[in-house]
Amino acid sequence: DVKVTQSSRYLVKRTGEKVFLECVQDMDHENMFWYRQDPGLGLRLIYFSYDVKMKEKGDIPEGYSVSREKKERFSLILESASTNQTSMYLCASTPRGTIRNNEQFFGPGTRLTVL
Amino acid sequence: AQKVTQAQTEISVVEKEDVTLDCVYETRDTTYYLFWYKQPPSGELVFLIRRNSFDEQNEISGRYSWNFQKSTSSFNFTITASQVVDSAVYFCALSEANTGNQFYFGTGTSLTVIP
Repeated sequence: DVKVTQSSRYLVKRTGEKVFLECVQDMDHENMFWYRQDPGLGLRLIYFSYDVKMKEKGDIPEGYSVSREKKERFSLILESASTNQTSMYLCASTPRGTIRNNEQFFGPGTRLTVL
Repeated sequence: AQKVTQAQTEISVVEKEDVTLDCVYETRDTTYYLFWYKQPPSGELVFLIRRNSFDEQNEISGRYSWNFQKSTSSFNFTITASQVVDSAVYFCALSEANTGNQFYFGTGTSLTVIP
């Protein structure tokens, strides 16, 4: 079974802090994604990566950056956390091949609260 | 404009009732893919089904069935004889062949099955 893990289930940070959310998958998937989930808005793509050191912006990249130094790990970085970044963050991965027709395997999510 | 619309925000049914979750999508591509995911209270999205635009056959998997109708741009999901374990948020998603590697998620339908 594919396993996607996220470093924390719950995280509380203060405004202005630098925040790292870590995601690790154990199935050698090339493609990894970061989403945020907000009530009434569904899932929105922040960034995705299709290979080590490669990244592409999604719908809402502002205020975020990412790092993919190793194939299994995809990190989301909030350079200076703000209250409007309070949300549920979901990581996902898919195997090699076209992203658009592969199901995505999701981690359990990190609920981030910025005070 | 929303590419995937799930008009039902919340649904409650009594155990053993049938329930249909609606999904309407919007695309100009002739090749596209539709997905349903389940998000139980644990938070992790679980893939349920993928359907490509060339395959309008309806599908049944146990108590789950999906009705794909291109004429109405709908991909509805029916749970027969609902159970408490079906309580979750369900997301419909769309990806398009010609617009990159984005997944467009609906806003989700929260289903509560009352024992």
